[in-house]
This record gives sequence, structure tokens and C-alpha cells, in this order.
Amino acid sequence: EPEVTQTPSHQVTQMGQEVILRCVPISNHLYFYWYRQILGQKVEFLVSFYNNEISEKSEIFDDQFSVERPDGSNFTLKIRSTKLEDSAMYFCASKVGETGELFFGEGSRLTVL
Amino acid sequence: AQSVTQLGSHVSVSEGALVLLRCNYSSSVPPYLFWYVQYPNQGLQLLLKYTSAATLVKGINGFEAEFKKSETSFHLTKPSAHMSDAAEYFCAVTLNTGNQFYFGTGTSLTVIP
Repeated sequence: EPEVTQTPSHQVTQMGQEVILRCVPISNHLYFYWYRQILGQKVEFLVSFYNNEISEKSEIFDDQFSVERPDGSNFTLKIRSTKLEDSAMYFCASKVGETGELFFGEGSRLTVL
Repeated sequence: AQSVTQLGSHVSVSEGALVLLRCNYSSSVPPYLFWYVQYPNQGLQLLLKYTSAATLVKGINGFEAEFKKSETSFHLTKPSAHMSDAAEYFCAVTLNTGNQFYFGTGTSLTVIP
């Protein structure tokens, strides 16, 4: 069964360092998302991506964040200068069409020290 | 704007008892509604979805939910809880032509043997 895959599963980094989280969405999907979940809190929307551009982003997604789809299969989230409060589980998700089911990856846990 | 509210951050039931997890939505237009389950250290898995067809929706693992417009609710139920149902459950809403999913704060289900 096709699935969304994310790497790394866990990354520990020092405050101020750059982090790139990688995702491979399901191959025929057209809409891509990043969500995050701070420990014990709800899942929060970060950004959506369609047709090679950001279609929507939340207030959380400030200038420190960026997304790319560099090669037609990977979908990356970059945090330029990590802060302690960026520590969270980051979920990538994709769906085939506007009203389709959103498929989530297993998440990348980011710990900022 | 769309949102969902999940009443009860923690629910405990005995094995074999009815499971009822509550979700109320707010949307200015007819919504699409979803229930996702998250097992420990895993991603979000779709349980079921309402997309304006039948108001009673059956999902995986014996779960079902009923869309009640008059009550703006989409409560999740299962007649008989199993130990394997212990997990975090999230209600989510999006517009029928929408993009972003809005998640509730989640309900942690504990099943007591």
C-alpha cells in the first residue's frame, strides 16, 4: 500500500542550527502539507503546497521556515535557525485531490537543545 | 473559519463498553469531517470521513460516526471497546473545496481491562 515516508524519524539539533526534514509523498498525489504537533498539544497546520508553490501557510510558518519540492518526489521542510520552541513532531501529509483523504507520514521528531 | 472542538481530553472505558468520543464543528459552509487515530509513536491514520453523502459513516476497526447538522456534531462511536483501541483520536474539518485541515486538540482513549 502506498504511504508517505519521512526522514529522519528523530533529529536532535542545537539551537540556531539549520534543519531539513524530508518527505516522500505518495506518487500520484498533488497536494502536500506540513503539520506539527508539540508534545501534548494538537496537530497544527504549517503550510500547504500545490503546483510547485505554497498555497496556504499559517502564522507559525514565518521566515525561518521554507518548503521545497526539488525533484518531483521529495518534499522538504527547512528551518533555518532552530529555536527551542521548534521542538515538535513534524508530520508530512499528501492527498491526491482537493477533497481527497489526507495521508500522513509517521512523523519526524525534532528536538532542539 | 472552520474549527472543531473535542470535548474531553481523556476518556476511559472498560473493555467491551461503548466508546463515545465527542466532536463539534464550526463551519460557515458544509464541511468535510474526519476522524484520525494516532497510536503511540506513529503518524495519523484515517478512521473515517464524512463528505456530504450518508450522514452515518462507517470506518475501520468497527468505528462509526454520525454527522448531525442540527447539533453541529460528528461524534465517534464504537459499540464494544478493545484494548487495541487505546490511542489518541483527532477530529478534523476542512471545506469541501478546501485545503487546510483543522484539527481538534485530541482525545486520549484508555481501555481498562
